[in-house]
Amino acid sequence: DAGVIQSPRHEVTEMGQEVTLRCKPISGHDYLFWYRQTMMRGLELLIYFNNNVPIDDSGMPEDRFSAKMPNASFSTLKIQPSEPRDSAVYFCASSYGQGSEQYFGPGTRLTVT
Amino acid sequence: GEDVEQSLFLSVREGDSSVINCTYTDSSSTYLYWYKQEPGAGLQLLTYIFSNMDMKQDQRLTVLLNKKDKHLSLRIADTQTGDSAIYFCAEISGGSNYKLTFGKGTLLTVNP
Repeated sequence: DAGVIQSPRHEVTEMGQEVTLRCKPISGHDYLFWYRQTMMRGLELLIYFNNNVPIDDSGMPEDRFSAKMPNASFSTLKIQPSEPRDSAVYFCASSYGQGSEQYFGPGTRLTVT
Repeated sequence: GEDVEQSLFLSVREGDSSVINCTYTDSSSTYLYWYKQEPGAGLQLLTYIFSNMDMKQDQRLTVLLNKKDKHLSLRIADTQTGDSAIYFCAEISGGSNYKLTFGKGTLLTVNP
């Protein structure tokens, strides 16, 4: 398997624009996680899905952030409108089963100017 | 809520042992993990330990868990320049089997 795939790897956008980050989990994994990494706050869990259903979105910063998982092989994290403070590296991870190892994608580095 | 603390920096010489420390607050933690992040990459699981264990060894890696003090350490023997990376301690609390709480990471620099 190619591992967790994220696109784009880098995104530079202007404040106010919509940003969509994409993730393809490892085939067969039933959990998918979105994290955000910043120097100030470290790694934060934003939201996670089980069998395509959002289970806990308490880490989503505000209504500007939304995530979907229309099928088992694809998820999106959308920010609309984007702000400079959203600049971070966003990671997607997937796992199989309860409490098992999470496999991380390479991340998307987002810069909002 | 749960909290995981780590020192931010560690510098060692090649060939020496590295010890990275971590403390956590959730006494119901079930699994504790060490992840490695190389520059520009995602996190990679290095090793993990169940909360009912006090030590786990895997080649050059030794994990020690002091559950009473809520202290976890990762020892890397014969540290190499390729071990230079950020190391994250993480835990899954007993109340949730899915959510990892990460420390802020320790930047390990290995000097030749």
